[in-house]
Amino acid sequence: AQSVTQLDSQVPVFEEAPVELRCNYSSSVSVYLFWYVQYPNQGLQLLLKYLSGSTLVKGINGFEAEFNKSQTSFHLRKPSVHISDTAEYFCAVRDLGGSYIPTFGRGTSLIVHP
Amino acid sequence: GAVVSQHPSRVICKSGTSVKIECRSLDFQATTMFWYRQFPKKSLMLMATSNEGSKATYEQGVEKDKFLINHASLTLSTLTVTSAHPEDSSFYICSARVGGIDYGYTFGSGTRLTVV
Repeated sequence: AQSVTQLDSQVPVFEEAPVELRCNYSSSVSVYLFWYVQYPNQGLQLLLKYLSGSTLVKGINGFEAEFNKSQTSFHLRKPSVHISDTAEYFCAVRDLGGSYIPTFGRGTSLIVHP
Repeated sequence: GAVVSQHPSRVICKSGTSVKIECRSLDFQATTMFWYRQFPKKSLMLMATSNEGSKATYEQGVEKDKFLINHASLTLSTLTVTSAHPEDSSFYICSARVGGIDYGYTFGSGTRLTVV
């Protein structure tokens, strides 16, 4: 079985500052990893994903994430945030050996202050 | 990329009535769709998985007679909330599994259901 832990429920940050949203997963097999963003009253939009290959994954809106197998982490980073990045961010994992149903973390609310 | 269109975006209904939410895959065939419920400030709760042409698989604790899911074609899945009550008020989101080079999961824009 797979699980995802997003360590921070809320991350406040000032505009133009760097940010890291943490995600750790647990699985007994290889995994696919995803980060999604959700703006108020909208569905989820894919930011980036790790399927294989390079452990540093670049996504949309200037976000990137690094897959660290030894630490079972997939932290999301952005070097300089904007007000418009204020949203809910979800990390998700899918076991390669099990069902194709992804497991989502509880979400991290990124709040960017001017 | 793969797009899922979800309608309506908002609906208000009276207690005891039924509401149907539609999700259509616009540019791909969605053999598998997921239906989620999201409570305020909470993560997504998977309600059921539907596969085209077969019965949906419901998660534990989800009433299948109350939340009817139909996936009759490769491009359309529907969720019907029957005999709605105020406690059914929530944000419902559908998602489809996408294969190929776009592998992953694409989401509808969600439906805000308010039962009065």
